[in-house]
Amino acid sequence: GQQVQQSPASLVLQEGENAELQCNFSTSLNSMQWFYQRPEGSLVSLFYNPSGTKQSGRLTSTTVIKERRSSLHISSSQITDSGTYLCAMNNNNRIFFGDGTQLVVKP
Amino acid sequence: DMKVTQMPRYLIKRMGENVLLECGQDMSHETMYWYRQDPGLGLQLIYISYDVDSNSEGDIPKGYRVSRKKREHFSLILDSAKTNQTSVYFCASSPLQLFAETLYFGSGTRLTVL
Repeated sequence: GQQVQQSPASLVLQEGENAELQCNFSTSLNSMQWFYQRPEGSLVSLFYNPSGTKQSGRLTSTTVIKERRSSLHISSSQITDSGTYLCAMNNNNRIFFGDGTQLVVKP
Repeated sequence: DMKVTQMPRYLIKRMGENVLLECGQDMSHETMYWYRQDPGLGLQLIYISYDVDSNSEGDIPKGYRVSRKKREHFSLILDSAKTNQTSVYFCASSPLQLFAETLYFGSGTRLTVL
């Protein structure tokens, strides 16, 4: 079964709009992480966020471990934010990835 | 400079040929991983290595084997490649064995099996 469900699967924004990406986990987890995959394929870690809220610039991640969910908020989106956002959960050192949210930001 | 390096970036092989994908990291991380990613999907774990000669199957190990003789190197081997092994392969490493604080990824190898 799919341990990590991400929504929405895809999202189109106008530049300047905000976005909320969701990640839900079907099993208990030790920690989770958000990644950004550039259009050319390389992966960048955005947040390692086992619990609570973390912010980095226009990005905010909030994880509620007890409710098995995490969200990634992107404020004032920019064209360069386009790409795929992946969340991953760590369950006893096994790391499971969601299928990702494909984000397109248009001018 | 923390880095995970994968070689080659692109590779084309014929069905039945052997394939060697190499991965190196300069952070002395204990744990290393091989994932594959298919279009529209997330990453699927092929193998995980906890240290030299300490490897464990992931979720889709069939058709693959790995080798880790030095902490900084982790190889993925496809003996007699199949067309359904066409994919993008990512190597990753992390500093802790029990709870991976953060994963560091390589740039990926795009493998095409004809």
